[in-house]
Amino acid sequence: EVQLVESGGGLVQPGGSLRLSCVASGFTFSNHAMSWVRQAPGKGLEWVSAISGSGASTYYADSLKGRFTISRDNSKSTVYLQMNSLRADDTAVYYCAKDKDEVVPATMDYWGQGTLVTVSS
Amino acid sequence: SYELTQPPSVSVSPGQTASITCSGDKLGDKYAYWYQQKPGQSPVLVIYQDSERPSGIPERFSGSNSGNTATLTISGTQAMDEADYYCQAWASSTGVFGGGTKLTVL
Repeated sequence: EVQLVESGGGLVQPGGSLRLSCVASGFTFSNHAMSWVRQAPGKGLEWVSAISGSGASTYYADSLKGRFTISRDNSKSTVYLQMNSLRADDTAVYYCAKDKDEVVPATMDYWGQGTLVTVSS
Repeated sequence: SYELTQPPSVSVSPGQTASITCSGDKLGDKYAYWYQQKPGQSPVLVIYQDSERPSGIPERFSGSNSGNTATLTISGTQAMDEADYYCQAWASSTGVFGGGTKLTVL
């Protein structure tokens, strides 16, 4: 059974940093790209970033480039999202998603339960 | 940047067919994906690569994509299908979601 468990969310002040983690199980982690998608309260889904199975290729939403960094540790079956210079409009539930294939673009076929990030003073 | 447009809401009577559209420039040249999200839950993939159904998704869910419009069709809509539906596509290896459509079954 595929399981994705996100953690690392919480309350952070504007300008601060946070690192999200997503631990995966139930599949061969290195064979699948992984994505992060966020959802602001009461709003729609917004794609954030993706990383290939090997970690060699990374992709970002244009609006986030330079502030967020995606990475993965295949030995730990974990994907990370480092978020810097956080702003109030980064407040959202952040979901990690497993991609169907090793390369991006791919189908996001399983999603975690999400972790809430609140940026506020 | 690439944009996908969905109607904010669609209403359907139980047992009838619901159609949710997603529009984008030359969307038919890309693959379209559809996700269902119920209140308080994570999104669930219901259609991928225009018309493929993941295992476990009922046959009443189908999809098509041509020209500038992708369509999610739910035949014999049930009360349990009431949810938000999001279309998604990839543009230059960047993911793009539509704004979402709230499907009401009444």
